[in-house]
Amino acid sequence: DAKTTQPNSMESNEEEPVHLPCNHSTISGTDYIHWYRQLPSQGPEYVIHGLTSNVNNRMASLAIAEDRKSSTLILHRATLRDAAVYYCILRGSGTYKYIFGTGTRLKVLA
Amino acid sequence: GAGVSQSPSNKVTEKGKDVELRCDPISGHTALYWYRQRLGQGLEFLIYFQGNSAPDKSGLPSDRFSAERTGESVSTLTIQRTQQEDSAVYLCASSPYIGEQFFGPGTRLTVL
Repeated sequence: DAKTTQPNSMESNEEEPVHLPCNHSTISGTDYIHWYRQLPSQGPEYVIHGLTSNVNNRMASLAIAEDRKSSTLILHRATLRDAAVYYCILRGSGTYKYIFGTGTRLKVLA
Repeated sequence: GAGVSQSPSNKVTEKGKDVELRCDPISGHTALYWYRQRLGQGLEFLIYFQGNSAPDKSGLPSDRFSAERTGESVSTLTIQRTQQEDSAVYLCASSPYIGEQFFGPGTRLTVL
C-alpha cells in the first residue's frame, strides 16, 4: 500500500490561508488522493479528493504536483472551526481500502 | 436524512468478555467500513463490506475479531475474549460509491 507523509502539526492565524502538504512519492498512476479531517471528539469527515488535476470545492482546494508525488490541501481562509487533524490518504483504483496515516494537527490562532 | 449511527456510544467491559458493536449505515450505501482508533493515533483500517460480502479482511488484528453485514444494511463487529489492547474508539463509515465516506460518531471501548 502506498504511504503518505505529513507534518505532525501546523499553526495558522485565523482568516489566513493554510497550505497543508502531503508527500506520496510511491504513488501509482491509478491511486486517488483523498483528504479527510477529524475535529475533536468526532469521526472524520470528507474534505476533497482528486487524481491528477487540481480540484476545488466549497471547503478547500487540492493542488496536485505534476509528478503526483506530492499534493497540498489549501484552506483559503482558516477559521477556528478548521482546527482538526487533517489526513492525506491514497486509495488504489477499484479498491475501497483507505490507509490513514497519523495526519497533521492544525491549530488555528485567533 | 439520518447519518451513520453506532451503538453503544460507550462500552466498558472486563478482560476476556466478548463485545458486539453495531453500525447502522446511511440507507442505500453499498460500502461499509470499520476502523479502529487508539488514543492519540490515526485510523487503522479493519475491514470493509461491498454489499454483504467482505472482499478485504486483511486489517482484522486477530481471529478474535469478526464482522458481518446483513441485508446490505446493519453491520456488527464482534471482539471475542477482549484484551486491554483492544481499548480504542471503533469507527464505522459508509459510502454510496468510491469517493466520500460518511463516518459515525464511534463506539469507545474500554477493556478493564
